[in-house]
Amino acid sequence: DVKVTQSSRYLVKRTGEKVFLECVQDMDHENMFWYRQDPGLGLRLIYFSYDVKMKEKGDIPEGYSVSREKKERFSLILESASTNQTSMYLCASSHRRSAGYEQYFGPGTRLTVT
Amino acid sequence: DQQVKQNSPSLSVQEGRISILNCDYTNSMFDYFLWYKKYPAEGPTFLISISSIKDKNEDGRFTVFLNKSAKHLSLHIVPSQPGDSAVYFCAAPSGGSNYKLTFGKGTLLTVNP
Repeated sequence: DVKVTQSSRYLVKRTGEKVFLECVQDMDHENMFWYRQDPGLGLRLIYFSYDVKMKEKGDIPEGYSVSREKKERFSLILESASTNQTSMYLCASSHRRSAGYEQYFGPGTRLTVT
Repeated sequence: DQQVKQNSPSLSVQEGRISILNCDYTNSMFDYFLWYKKYPAEGPTFLISISSIKDKNEDGRFTVFLNKSAKHLSLHIVPSQPGDSAVYFCAAPSGGSNYKLTFGKGTLLTVNP
């Protein structure tokens, strides 16, 4: 059974703080993704990584950076948190050679920036 | 530019009846589609998919229909159950070798007992 875990379920941070969200998957997947989910906006891709140390910008990368030093771990970094980054953050992973394109999601981190 | 559109933000049906969730897409190069289900405070879970070489795929109470000429797909849930109440996302691979998915904005389904 594929498992994707995220470091926190709920997080409250102050404006200007540096925030780290961590994601770990145990299925040796090459691809990992960070999304944010907001009401009425669906799932929007922030960054993704298709291999260790490789990353590509998604649709909304501004204000975020990522790190992938190990295959199983993908971190999302908010360099200086702002209130408009209050959101549900979802990590996902997938196998590069999967014909089904299926992504497996973690439980999400509800981040509130005050 | 939204390539995958779910035009109904919400849908309410009675338990036991059919739920039909719709999805339209603009990119004729899309050749695979997925539906995900998401409960509050949980991550989305994969529900069912369909390849463009088919026009129907069925899994238990869930059936997805694909109309390529209309660039439209729909998810049918029969019979609907209160536990089906969730947000449903339609998605399609965005192309390339890294299997990015483009998601619709989602439809909140409420099944009333």
